[in-house]
Amino acid sequence: DTGVSQNPRHKITKRGQNVTFRCDPISEHNRLYWYRQTLGQGPEFLTYFQNEAQLEKSRLLSDRFSAERPKGSFSTLEIQRTEQGDSAMYLCASRRDRSSYNSPLHFGNGTRLTVT
Amino acid sequence: AQTVTQSQPEMSVQEAETVTLSCTYDTSESDYYLFWYKQPPSRQMILVIRQEAYKQQNATENRFSVNFQKAAKSFSLKISDSQLGDAAMYFCAYRVPNTGNQFYFGTGTSLTVIP
Repeated sequence: DTGVSQNPRHKITKRGQNVTFRCDPISEHNRLYWYRQTLGQGPEFLTYFQNEAQLEKSRLLSDRFSAERPKGSFSTLEIQRTEQGDSAMYLCASRRDRSSYNSPLHFGNGTRLTVT
Repeated sequence: AQTVTQSQPEMSVQEAETVTLSCTYDTSESDYYLFWYKQPPSRQMILVIRQEAYKQQNATENRFSVNFQKAAKSFSLKISDSQLGDAAMYFCAYRVPNTGNQFYFGTGTSLTVIP
């Protein structure tokens, strides 16, 4: 178990630029989640994958956000035309789903995005 | 709407003492899973303890235990013999299998441990 890996750890970008984050989940985990966390708040759900299929997407997620998980392995989260309000910590988490097992989320260290 | 409420933004405890963090949630489902996560400063979020709603017995993990009151929709975390390393943000969360795979998180409680 090498843990969930996220890159980069920090990203500073200018408003209007596009950014892409990467998440490598724990290898045997078939479910992958993206969350956003702002200061003083709990993680806010963005989207979720089961293998390569994106099964859920938050209604709060702007169409500037897109996520992929090709081949059911790593995932990328892209934000187009960034805005200052996009500044946050972006967390990736994974879990191995078993119908009879209460598997928890395993989180990465997050990518902190600052939009100037 | 699925909501989790942590009414204590900040808590403090003396080292070696006991502290209880509160959490309430709102769901009409009878089958769900509850979690407490810990997020130390600038470090990743890790699982502290979990509870299945169908289990009446409260979960325990070493110094950590929960008080699960299903009728009251309450899920508090008790930390016994507090240690300096317990200082962190603590988030309560739950997941309802029948309504999707989202985990819903509260706004967190910041715990300070006083030496």
